[in-house]
Amino acid sequence: DAKTTQPNSMESNEEEPVHLPCNHSTISGTDYIHWYRQLPSQGPEYVIHGLTSNVNNRMASLAIAEDRKSSTLILHRATLRDAAVYYCILRDVWYGGSQGNLIFGKGTKLSVKP
Amino acid sequence: GAVVSQHPSRVICKSGTSVKIECRSLDFQATTMFWYRQFPKQSLMLMATSNEGSKATYEQGVEKDKFLINHASLTLSTLTVTSAHPEDSSFYICSARDEYTGKGTEAFFGQGTRLTVV
Repeated sequence: DAKTTQPNSMESNEEEPVHLPCNHSTISGTDYIHWYRQLPSQGPEYVIHGLTSNVNNRMASLAIAEDRKSSTLILHRATLRDAAVYYCILRDVWYGGSQGNLIFGKGTKLSVKP
Repeated sequence: GAVVSQHPSRVICKSGTSVKIECRSLDFQATTMFWYRQFPKQSLMLMATSNEGSKATYEQGVEKDKFLINHASLTLSTLTVTSAHPEDSSFYICSARDEYTGKGTEAFFGQGTRLTVV
């Protein structure tokens, strides 16, 4: 899987938007961009994923650069519950069987101030 | 949404004893489950891939005789840490995907098990 680069940490104020960047300059044409987050002392949870077009769901939005070499996870209104480590992960279009594991980098630790 | 349940959430054991951790997919079947380990302030590292009805596949550097994996059904995988030592103290997390209902994109993770070996 191609590598991603994220800032080690970011801070945000509660109820303000947060933009978490991810660089993936070696992304291949069949790599999906996935975001997971891990709250303290819990297993990771899925946030969002996309291929080329921007994506929205109830948790967040994903903005993907036109050349796909970078993406940004957008939390529209940060809450204290959003304090977590956010992981940007590339996965090939084939997820099946033994290739279904995820390779985690160091992620971005997001702190949210009241 | 699909849920993966991991048990126990926390365990303390004496050095030299064995500990079993269970990972269940509650509302879907999974032929493959994954076991990760996470040391403090570090990221998740894949330990092994659990395959229903066959032997697990271990990552390089992970001792298969120490970390026994059994995937006896499509909804249950177990990880047994044998002869545990303090250096095995870590956060163990399992993961599975719903491969049968077309929701294979999202990976579901258990709550994790905090193992402390004293």
